[in-house]
Amino acid sequence: NAGVTQTPKFRILKIGQSMTLQCAQDMNHNYMYWYRQDPGMGLKLIYYSVGAGITDKGEVPNGYNVSRSTTEDFPLRLELAAPSQTSVYFCASRPLGDVRNTEAFFGQGTRLTVV
Amino acid sequence: QKEVEQDPGPLSVPEGAIVSLNCTYSNSAFQYFMWYRQYSRKGPELLMYTYSSGNKEDGRFTAQVDKSSKYISLFIRDSQPSDSATYLCAMVWGGSNYKLTFGKGTLLTVNP
Repeated sequence: NAGVTQTPKFRILKIGQSMTLQCAQDMNHNYMYWYRQDPGMGLKLIYYSVGAGITDKGEVPNGYNVSRSTTEDFPLRLELAAPSQTSVYFCASRPLGDVRNTEAFFGQGTRLTVV
Repeated sequence: QKEVEQDPGPLSVPEGAIVSLNCTYSNSAFQYFMWYRQYSRKGPELLMYTYSSGNKEDGRFTAQVDKSSKYISLFIRDSQPSDSATYLCAMVWGGSNYKLTFGKGTLLTVNP
């Protein structure tokens, strides 16, 4: 199993450009998450999904959009990129169930720089 | 606002030292507590979780929770260079649709 796969690994965007960060998991997990991690900061939740067709905002959703048309994929869309969106983006997934037996698995991250 | 405070360090120790990493939190709604380890340029991976006050051991790692003081700790015994990483505490909230609120992470370097 590949686990959680994020593409691309690195990207440089110009201000005002748009892009989609891809996330795919092959574990049939219900829950998927997008986090951003700024230097010296913890992870902040952008959006999450509890299943195909269901998404909701996290702590820092402004400037981002998501969709979840399949269980496997959870893309994150940046419209009109701004320098404040320079960050490392992590996608995570976990199965349905209690926190005591549902570990969240993270992808390797996408490093995005907006110039 | 559910907030978590964690000293970002950096923390540098010699091999074999006992390491203590700490977080404080302000919201009593947090039900479970997790520690993640993140190697450089990698995603976080779950190290341990606890849900009650007291200690939980796993090999060289011990997680400690004091709910009355809203304080959690991670102890690493006989630290190894391979333990060099950023350690993030995370607070769990939200029931079955639980979410995680992370601390800033502490960068640990264990010197051989």
